[in-house]
Amino acid sequence: GDSVTQMEGPVTLSEEAFLTINCTYTATGYPSLFWYVQYPGEGLQLLLKATKADDKGSNKGFEATYRKETTSFHLEKGSVQVSDSAVYFCALSPAGNTGKLIFGQGTTLQVKP
Amino acid sequence: SAVISQKPSRDICQRGTSLTIQCQVDSQVTMMFWYRQQPGQSLTLIATANQGSEATYESGFVIDKFPISRPNLTFSTLTVSNMSPEDSSIYLCSVRTGTASYEQYFGPGTRLTVT
Repeated sequence: GDSVTQMEGPVTLSEEAFLTINCTYTATGYPSLFWYVQYPGEGLQLLLKATKADDKGSNKGFEATYRKETTSFHLEKGSVQVSDSAVYFCALSPAGNTGKLIFGQGTTLQVKP
Repeated sequence: SAVISQKPSRDICQRGTSLTIQCQVDSQVTMMFWYRQQPGQSLTLIATANQGSEATYESGFVIDKFPISRPNLTFSTLTVSNMSPEDSSIYLCSVRTGTASYEQYFGPGTRLTVT
């Protein structure tokens, strides 16, 4: 079945460092891809999405490009801030528009001043 | 967007008992879902709550253990039945606001501890 694999954390960076969190997926057809973020003590929020190959999702300085050839959707940010410390989840919605989401295991990011 | 509330926000229950979790949305939505997030784990879909009909369960989840109701387009309940400590998790309601929208919104979750 469809699945999502994320790089294991925790990831610890200094403020203003470059961030990459790897995400690869296995799916039939053309799923939609998402990054969700869970800040400490808060609920899950959609960070960005891409619904077809070569789409680039972006929000709050974060970007991810839907790469069909490598089945990847890596999350990047050029300069992280302490406020970016959170748990990041990569997810896919299988082709067929069922609405269901399949999540990766989550990556904890800690940014130090 | 959609604003989702869940009740209760947390509870501590004894094994063998049942708990019903409520999910209320501030607008009509096409799809509602229930997820489970076990301690230190990712989210797993339990079922899709269908309005006016039986929920659609994912592999590993059954109606007798997790009965779900969805009487209208803004409300759903999930019951965790005959609980055991393994049911200790955060249970989250999520919604999609339209079939053309790929955005899905999540409630704040219900933290359940079973002793």
